[in-house]
Amino acid sequence: DAGVIQSPRHEVTEMGQEVTLRCKPISGHDYLFWYRQTMMRGLELLIYFNNNVPIDDSGMPEDRFSAKMPNASFSTLKIQPSEPRDSAVYFCASSLGTGLSGELFFGEGSRLTVL
Amino acid sequence: KQEVTQIPAALSVPEGENLVLNCSFTDSAIYNLQWFRQDPGKGLTSLLLIQSSQREQTSGRLNASLDKSSGRSTLYIAASQPGDSATYLCAVGTSGSRLTFGEGTQLTVNP
Repeated sequence: DAGVIQSPRHEVTEMGQEVTLRCKPISGHDYLFWYRQTMMRGLELLIYFNNNVPIDDSGMPEDRFSAKMPNASFSTLKIQPSEPRDSAVYFCASSLGTGLSGELFFGEGSRLTVL
Repeated sequence: KQEVTQIPAALSVPEGENLVLNCSFTDSAIYNLQWFRQDPGKGLTSLLLIQSSQREQTSGRLNASLDKSSGRSTLYIAASQPGDSATYLCAVGTSGSRLTFGEGTQLTVNP
């Protein structure tokens, strides 16, 4: 398996623009997680899905952030409108079985810069 | 709220040395603990996963221990190599499939 695949790897945009980050989890994994990593706050869980259903979105910073998982092999994280403070590396991760006992596999991340 | 602390924040050692990275957590009601490695500009790579019922896990030169009652885990790296240079993060799994990450220990192994 190719692992968790994220795109784009790098995104530079201007404040106010819409940003869409994409993720393809490992085939067969039923849990998908979106994390954000910054120097100031480290790794933060934004939202996670189980069998394509959002389970916990309490980490989503505000209504400008939204995430979808239309099928088992694809998820998106959208920021609209983007702000400079959204600049971070966004990671997607997936696991098999409950996230509590399953090993978590991360993608390479999408580095977002909002000017 | 679970808090995870890793000490030291940075560590520099000569090649060949055995070393220990520490991770502590405030809430002992955990489901598992996972150690990750992160290379600059890369994602996280899982190294070891310890379930709450386990005391340790080993993979090659790596050994991770877990003491739930004291809220501690250690990652032991034997015979360190320059290729081990990376940031090591521990993450604690708690209710709701939520992983809480530490800040990481940045390891440099000098040839």
